[in-house]
Amino acid sequence: QVQLQESGPGLVKPSETLSLTCTVSGGSISSSNTYYWGWIRQPPEKGLEWIGNIFHSGDTSYNPSLKSRVTISVDTSKNQFSLKLTSVTAADTAVYYCARLPFRENFDFWGQGTLVTVSS
Amino acid sequence: QTVVTQEPSLSVSPGGTVTLTCGLNSGSVFVSYYPSWYQQTPGQAPRTLIYNTNIRSSGVPDRFSGSILGNKAALTITGAQADDESDYYCLLSMGRGILVFGGGTKLTVV
Repeated sequence: QVQLQESGPGLVKPSETLSLTCTVSGGSISSSNTYYWGWIRQPPEKGLEWIGNIFHSGDTSYNPSLKSRVTISVDTSKNQFSLKLTSVTAADTAVYYCARLPFRENFDFWGQGTLVTVSS
Repeated sequence: QTVVTQEPSLSVSPGGTVTLTCGLNSGSVFVSYYPSWYQQTPGQAPRTLIYNTNIRSSGVPDRFSGSILGNKAALTITGAQADDESDYYCLLSMGRGILVFGGGTKLTVV
C-alpha cells in the first residue's frame, strides 16, 4: 500500500519561501499513467484548500488563487514531489498534506500532514 | 469564483440517517464533476470515503453512500454510529485539473 510523508521546515518567516517535500513509498511515483500527486492545506480551525497537482511527466495544475506563488515539481529518481510557495504571510500558516490522485479528480491516499507556521 | 456549498453543521441520532449535500453557487452538480467525500476527525488527515459520485473507497462501511440528489451531490449515512462524528468535506473537479473543496460539514451524533 502506498504511503506518503511530508517533510520540511515547520517555521517560515514572512515574505520568505515555504518548501515542502512529499516522499512516496510502497510504489513508484511514475508507475502509473493515471496517478497524479497533489498538495492540500488546512489553516487552523478551517477547511481544506486544494493547492495543486502534478503528473510524473511534470504536467501541473494549480489553484487559481495561489497560482502566482506556487510551484510543484517532481523528482522521479527520489520518488518525491515538492511544493514551493513564495512570499508567505501569516495567512499561509496551515497543516500541509500531500496526497495521491488516482484519476486527477479525487484523492485516495493521504500523508499525515505537517504544520507550517509563518512567523518572524 | 466557484464556491462549493455544504451545510456548516448537522446532527443525527445514533442509528439514524442523515444526508449531507454538496452544491455549487453557479448551478447544478453533475456526475461529470466527479464528486468525492472525505471524513476528518480532529488532528487526523482526511480519509477518503466516496469517489466518482458513489464508489466507496476500500474499507469504507456500506452505511456510507453517495449520490446526486436534485442539483447537488449527497453523502448519506444510514445507521449512524458515534464514531461517525467528524467533519465531512466534498470535492468537485471543475475540469482542466482544477479542484475545489466545499467548506465542510461538522456532523454531531447525539
